Amino acid sequence: AQSVTQPDIHITVSEGASLELRCNYSYGATPYLFWYVQSPGQGLQLLLKYFSGDTLVQGIKGFEAEFKRSQSSFNLRKPSVHWSDAAEYFCAVAGVGGFKTIFGAGTRLFVKA
Amino acid sequence: SAVISQKPSRDICQRGTSLTIQCQVDSQVTMMFWYRQQPGQSLTLIATANQGSEATYESGFVIDKFPISRPNLTFSTLTVSNMSPEDSSIYLCSVEESSVGGYEQYFGPGTRLTVT
Repeated sequence: AQSVTQPDIHITVSEGASLELRCNYSYGATPYLFWYVQSPGQGLQLLLKYFSGDTLVQGIKGFEAEFKRSQSSFNLRKPSVHWSDAAEYFCAVAGVGGFKTIFGAGTRLFVKA
Repeated sequence: SAVISQKPSRDICQRGTSLTIQCQVDSQVTMMFWYRQQPGQSLTLIATANQGSEATYESGFVIDKFPISRPNLTFSTLTVSNMSPEDSSIYLCSVEESSVGGYEQYFGPGTRLTVT
């Protein structure tokens, strides 16, 4: 069955430090992969996506993610975190042929001064 | 990218009543989705609404509880019927747009529902 796992429920990083949020998926073929961010009281905003091609994708707000087929992973990274990055981050997987988007449980990011 | 608005943004309702949530998109879209996000949880798809056809509900969700309308390509409503405290959640509307090589989903700001 298709699934998305975000192993970390919450992560705390210092402002200016680097960030990596983990995401593992289970899917029979190469899926479409997404990262979304949800700030308190807000809807979801698309940070970046992977469909095919270059496995390192760039997104908005200085985020990037790398697709690793061998590890079934799509980890999100940012070299230097800002206080405004504190939010909930969701990894999602989708595909063609009627396979609807499945969201991970989310990772809440806390940023300390 | 599509811009989506929802009304109301939040509401507090008594059990046994119903609430209709509106979703308006600034462009014509084929597929619209309704999600539920329970407190501290991830998103769960309630149903997919295509204009001109009956909504398709996911396992665990039924039309009598969550009737959906899709009268045109820019608008949809979700009704939460006969509410109980377990229905307290954020309800999100979403649309899908084609993108190079695939597609993207965009979300409304959500409707925060509290049932007392």
